[in-house]
Amino acid sequence: TQLLEQSPQFLSIQEGENLTVYCNSSSVFSSLQWYRQEPGEGPVLLVTVVTGGEVKKLKRLTFQFGDARKDSSLHITAAQPGDTGLYLCAGVSYSSGSARQLTFGSGTQLTVLP
Amino acid sequence: ETGVTQSPTHLIKTRGQQVTLRCSSQSGHNTVSWYQQALGQGPQFIFQYYREEENGRGNFPPRFSGLQFPNYSSELNVNALELDDSALYLCASSHTNSNLGYTFGSGTRLTVV
Repeated sequence: TQLLEQSPQFLSIQEGENLTVYCNSSSVFSSLQWYRQEPGEGPVLLVTVVTGGEVKKLKRLTFQFGDARKDSSLHITAAQPGDTGLYLCAGVSYSSGSARQLTFGSGTQLTVLP
Repeated sequence: ETGVTQSPTHLIKTRGQQVTLRCSSQSGHNTVSWYQQALGQGPQFIFQYYREEENGRGNFPPRFSGLQFPNYSSELNVNALELDDSALYLCASSHTNSNLGYTFGSGTRLTVV
């Protein structure tokens, strides 16, 4: 069974601070995705990282995929209250029936205080 | 371009009953997956449908079943409901040839009492 461990589970910071969320697994994934989920909504895709060592930047968000494709991190610079939400990492794998399935971490609930 | 729509948004059922949840996929998407998200947890993969057949399943018992229709809409059926089935059920659609992420619906909040 593939598992993704996400840390920290909860994070409360002041506006302007930096933060990093970690996603670790003992399994190798073909790619890894980061989602953000608001209350009462489904997850919304932020980024997909495919190549080991890959770094992607999305404005103030920086995503990194580990060299061995087992772990990833999300770094937010100068956090803003609008960044508040549940951040989920998800490893992409393929089942025996060829279904592309996501294995989600348990999420990091980020609260950015003004 | 419409997104993924799910119905109903909220539902309360009694233990032992059966429930059907519905999902309309995003236009152009031919694959639909269902996920269960318990409170405070990440979503867990239930199963995926492609060409109206189940082509992948997570660690869920047979009382969780599904259908995909020719127009790519989908249903999730759960029989003999248990209290632990209370969760947010998310439908996600994608195109099988795309390496992009899924488009998720807003979910159905199921409460079993």
